[in-house]
Amino acid sequence: AQSVSQHNHHVILSEAASLELGCNYSYGGTVNLFWYVQYPGQHLQLLLKYFSGDPLVKGIKGFEAEFIKSKFSFNLRKPSVQWSDTAEYFCAVTPGNYGQNFVFGPGTRLSVLP
Amino acid sequence: SQTIHQWPATLVQPVGSPLSLECTVEGTSNPNLYWYRQAAGRGLQLLFYSVGIGQISSEVPQNLSASRPQDRQFILSSKKLLLSDSGFYLCAWSYGADPYEQYFGPGTRLTVT
Repeated sequence: AQSVSQHNHHVILSEAASLELGCNYSYGGTVNLFWYVQYPGQHLQLLLKYFSGDPLVKGIKGFEAEFIKSKFSFNLRKPSVQWSDTAEYFCAVTPGNYGQNFVFGPGTRLSVLP
Repeated sequence: SQTIHQWPATLVQPVGSPLSLECTVEGTSNPNLYWYRQAAGRGLQLLFYSVGIGQISSEVPQNLSASRPQDRQFILSSKKLLLSDSGFYLCAWSYGADPYEQYFGPGTRLTVT
């Protein structure tokens, strides 16, 4: 069965620090990869997604993620975080054959200190 | 624009009682619909998804069932709740032609006592 792991449960950073949140998945075939974000008091929303092509994917609000197939990883990055990035971040995967069975990681809570 | 509704927002039910959570989507037709459970520290677990009326796929065998009686209505049910059914239940939808971007509802906090 597929699974997704996220390296950190809670990350605390100061504003302007760089961010990297780890995500690893276990699935041997083609995958689609996602990062979702949940800001305090808001619904989950899509941050970025990877289907194929350029392994470096850019999303909203200055976030990007890199798919490294050999490492089964899809780490999320942002060069300079802001207080408004405080949220919970979820990595997710589905099989590449139009699969609907999304598997989400446990989430990483990011706290950015002003 | 599209909107997704879930109700109730919170629910406290005794063990052994039935459950019915409702999710409706407005502003689109033939969406894919999903039910997730979010447990603290464990992320989201996909429970059911549906690609059309009457079509339900179950991802995790458990005490719950789902139905889709209308195109934009998705219902999560149980005949007899267990303590372990407590959690935060999220409904989501996606376009049939682009199933990968899901739009989540506000969720229902269920406490089984």
